[in-house]
Amino acid sequence: QVHLQESGPGLVKPSETLSLTCTVSGGSVSHDRWSWIRQPPGKGPEYIGYIYYSGSTNYNPSLQSRLTISLDTSKNQFSLKLTSVTAADTAVYYCARETYSSGSYPCDFWGQGTLVTVSS
Amino acid sequence: DIQMTQSPSSLSASVGDRVTITCRASQSIRGYLNWYQQKPGKAPNLLIYAASTLQSGVPSRFSGSGSGTDFTLTISSLQPEDFGTYYCQETYSSPRTFGQGTKVDVK
Repeated sequence: QVHLQESGPGLVKPSETLSLTCTVSGGSVSHDRWSWIRQPPGKGPEYIGYIYYSGSTNYNPSLQSRLTISLDTSKNQFSLKLTSVTAADTAVYYCARETYSSGSYPCDFWGQGTLVTVSS
Repeated sequence: DIQMTQSPSSLSASVGDRVTITCRASQSIRGYLNWYQQKPGKAPNLLIYAASTLQSGVPSRFSGSGSGTDFTLTISSLQPEDFGTYYCQETYSSPRTFGQGTKVDVK
């Protein structure tokens, strides 16, 4: 059973950088794809992007200019950095594993989520 | 971006009812469609992937169908634990867009 756990500050000031880390256990970040998804309060999920085990990335175009997703295989972790945040970035942030299944890449394991609030 | 439109946005049904949720894509996504169930305060849980394949451990009363632009999630006999919000997600393109959700209440 793969377990994912998000960690990072729950409060970020406007214009600063949001940084989160996802620690994976029961699986290896040297396989599959690892993604970030966020969900603003009361709204549906929004896909942020993923990193492949090789290090290649795919970002939501609407966030691409502010976004970096990276991988640390030595710690079995992957991370998210989102710069120049505004109140619109307030959301529960989830990390998840995407695994190749029948040609698709569903998110089959998720972290519990962490609420990040952007406020001064 | 591909737009995913779910209907209805909410429904209330009785235990034992057959429930159908639809998801329409703004362009063909072939069979690259997943369904998730989310309960309040929890992460989404994968139910169906590749339009019709049941995720391991998910009860067989859940089923999915469709291809191209029109997809359906069916709960054959609604159970009390099936309350929550259901989301479709396409994985054909970037970004992997989610539908706006269908909230299911069990009467």
